[in-house]
Amino acid sequence: GNSVTQMEGPVTLSEEAFLTINCTYTATGYPSLFWYVQYPGEGLQLLLKATKADDKGSNKGFEATYRKETTSFHLEKGSVQVSDSAVYFCALSGYTGNQFYFGTGTSLTVIP
Amino acid sequence: EAQVTQNPRYLITVTGKKLTVTCSQNMNHEYMSWYRQDPGLGLRQIYYSMNVEVTDKGDVPEGYKVSRKEKRNFPLILESPSPNQTSLYFCASSLSPGGNTGELFFGEGSRLTVL
Repeated sequence: GNSVTQMEGPVTLSEEAFLTINCTYTATGYPSLFWYVQYPGEGLQLLLKATKADDKGSNKGFEATYRKETTSFHLEKGSVQVSDSAVYFCALSGYTGNQFYFGTGTSLTVIP
Repeated sequence: EAQVTQNPRYLITVTGKKLTVTCSQNMNHEYMSWYRQDPGLGLRQIYYSMNVEVTDKGDVPEGYKVSRKEKRNFPLILESPSPNQTSLYFCASSLSPGGNTGELFFGEGSRLTVL
């Protein structure tokens, strides 16, 4: 079946540090992959996506590359800011596109 | 403003007392779904709907019902709530029927406590 595994948190970084949040997936067919971000007290919002192998999604300085060979979609940012403090969810949309599968979320806190 | 609106945002109820969480979207989206968010488990899909009068079970449908009589509304019904349904619930919608264009638009969440 389909599933997403992402690194456990919480993660605490100093401002301007490099961020990596690991995400691996199991899926049948050719899923689409996403990163969603949840700021405190809010619903999730799409951060970036990739719909096929070797695609790179990017937004607000965040990047993730769809690696079919390693079934991974790791999130990276070169220099985090305090405003990036949030919970990050890796997700996939299954082959039929009807269901979304989310990881458990990784909480990021960036300190000045 | 494009949005998904859930009500109530907070609710405390007792075991067995039927309740409905409403969800409405103003983006003319065909696809709508409900999730519950629990610590350490992430988001799990309860039910989804591809279009009016078309609903299907997600991964954790037990104890829940839904209906899709109109395109914009997708209420979540707990006929006989139990304490294990205490959770944070999110409604989401998406433009395409398949949902795989990716952008799910989420409501702000409804925090439900069942005593």
